[in-house]
Amino acid sequence: DVQLVESGGGLVKPGGSLRLSCAASGFTFSNAWMSWVRQAPGKGLEWVGRIKSKTDGGTTDCAAPVKGRFTISRDDSKNTLYLQMNSLKTEDTAVYYCTTIRGVRLAEYFQHWGQGTLVTVSS
Amino acid sequence: DIQMTQSPSSLSASVGDRVTITCRASQSISSYLNWYQQRPGKAPQLLIYAASSLQSGVPSRFSGSGSGTDFTLTISSLQPEDFATYYCQQSYSTPRTFGQGTKVEIK
Repeated sequence: DVQLVESGGGLVKPGGSLRLSCAASGFTFSNAWMSWVRQAPGKGLEWVGRIKSKTDGGTTDCAAPVKGRFTISRDDSKNTLYLQMNSLKTEDTAVYYCTTIRGVRLAEYFQHWGQGTLVTVSS
Repeated sequence: DIQMTQSPSSLSASVGDRVTITCRASQSISSYLNWYQQRPGKAPQLLIYAASSLQSGVPSRFSGSGSGTDFTLTISSLQPEDFATYYCQQSYSTPRTFGQGTKVEIK
């Protein structure tokens, strides 16, 4: 069975940094495109960004609100996805989910989701 | 960015009811539309991808239709476990965007 387990969330002050991890198992992680999606308390879902597999270039895309502050990376030897978050703002407070991306070209979808990790940005 | 608008934002229904949720895209997205269900306190789960393809393991009472800008998610006979929030999401362009959600509550 596919398992995605996020960790690294917590309380951080505005301007601070945090690194989230997502440990993956049950599938060939190195072949997978992966994504981060967040959800502010009581709000809807917001795409944060994605990373392609290394065989597909390993490139990343991030949403405008986090571009330049957040970096997505992966360590295929550890089957782990990362989200490095710098210059955190109060509006970054959310549960952060990692997901697998499946599908072909434009017909992509977020197939499997982790349980999420809560990031709270507050002074 | 492509804006996704769901209607209604919430609805009340009874077990056994037929429920329809609509999602409209701000521009044509062909059939690149997915639906997710999120139960309270849980992670979202994929229901439908590519507008009408049922994800493996999802009950057949869920169905999706539409193309271009207008899409629907239908639950043919609402069950107790279906009370949740439903989100549409487009994969036509980056950034991927979600609808604001439709909360299905017990009448």
